[in-house]
Amino acid sequence: KNQVEQSPQSLIILEGKNCTLQCNYTVSPFSNLRWYKQDTGRGPVSLTIMTFSENTKSNGRYTATLDADTKQSSLHITASQLSDSASYICVVRGGGSQGNLIFGKGTKLSVKP
Amino acid sequence: SQTIHQWPATLVQPVGSPLSLECTVEGTSNPNLYWYRQAAGRGLQLLFYSVGIGQISSEVPQNLSASRPQDRQFILSSKKLLLSDSGFYLCAWTTSPTLSYEQYFGPGTRLTVT
Repeated sequence: KNQVEQSPQSLIILEGKNCTLQCNYTVSPFSNLRWYKQDTGRGPVSLTIMTFSENTKSNGRYTATLDADTKQSSLHITASQLSDSASYICVVRGGGSQGNLIFGKGTKLSVKP
Repeated sequence: SQTIHQWPATLVQPVGSPLSLECTVEGTSNPNLYWYRQAAGRGLQLLFYSVGIGQISSEVPQNLSASRPQDRQFILSSKKLLLSDSGFYLCAWTTSPTLSYEQYFGPGTRLTVT
């Protein structure tokens, strides 16, 4: 069964600290993996998208990694800011011309001053 | 630039009442449009998608329906709401004919069925 599991479910860190969010998937065949940021009460906004051949991709203070062999991805946030408080959603697209998007439940990150 | 609008932003409806949520996209032609629901503690669930006017595909059987009366307008409806219909409804669009490319999400509608 195609699944995307994210951990931790929630996380609280102090402003300025780094953190890493995890995403494990069992989607096969695999096409790409996205990380979205969703502020409370808003729609998700894309942070990164990675294909099979990409190991690392950065977007400012956000760095995503992908290990297609172990089917794991991580999102590392550097020098966190209060505005980083949000849910972070991992989304995996299956292969094929009509590959479906499989959404993780998200990690809720709270950055405290 | 492209923008996507949803309304209303919040809605409180009694069980058994009808529902109509609207989504419109500006700045693009012939977008692929999607309706998702996000229930508390759960991931996004694809409800419907449309690749053109009058073309609707349903992903999950339920008491909801969707329509696309115009190229850039997507409507989610129900004749009789259930308590389980409560959630955060998101509309999204993409220019790709498949689900393979990035989807841009609207601001969402928070629906509470009482």
